[in-house]
Amino acid sequence: EIVLTQSPATLSLSPGERATLSCRASQSVSSYVAWYQQKPGQAPRLLIYDASNRATGIPARFSGSGSGTDFTLTISSLEPEDFAVYYCQQRDNWPPQITFGQGTRLEIK
Amino acid sequence: QVQLVQSGAEVKKPGASVKVSCKASGYTFTSYYMHWVRQAPGQGLEWMGIINPRAGTTSYAQKFQGRVTMTRDTSTSTVYMEVSSLRSEDTAVYYCARGPPDYYCSSTSCYIDYWGQGTLVTVSS
Repeated sequence: EIVLTQSPATLSLSPGERATLSCRASQSVSSYVAWYQQKPGQAPRLLIYDASNRATGIPARFSGSGSGTDFTLTISSLEPEDFAVYYCQQRDNWPPQITFGQGTRLEIK
Repeated sequence: QVQLVQSGAEVKKPGASVKVSCKASGYTFTSYYMHWVRQAPGQGLEWMGIINPRAGTTSYAQKFQGRVTMTRDTSTSTVYMEVSSLRSEDTAVYYCARGPPDYYCSSTSCYIDYWGQGTLVTVSS
């Protein structure tokens, strides 16, 4: 099973700052990584799919990059509504086996 | 608009089974994969498995092999997820969640773009 490790576990930043979240896979997953945002009491929301494609309706301040084992979600200038938990997800094999990272909590400094 | 409406909260005793339903609307039910994901209180997301509603084929996370069964009813656009031999660690919110089109899942991250509202399953004696 491919393990996804997200870092840092918690990131403390202020509105307007740049956020860089990391997701590392235990073996190559090509570009088969997605990113989600989850706020308390809500279901997750898809932000990025296939490493770098923004989902429908996602603001341009969210961007994704990477391939192989190292992936990054960048929020260029934090808005108050961006403080939440972020998860990466990968797809391996066929039929698919999917795993999530443990999450990064983005909190207001 | 895409909607996934799940059945209500359940309370079960250890050793029992639970079956959660998820009724889809607003899109062609048989054209998109459906995932099941759970989240224990205060914890992260855990992928349980996926079903192809067109063919009825499934793929389960290794952890749940033999204990989880996913099925579908194309006449009502509903998927079901049953978990047997429940234990306290199975207490969680269970989500059904739509994947990409069936021809697209094999060449992508098989991402999730729509989620149900979640069903809380509590396992307690």
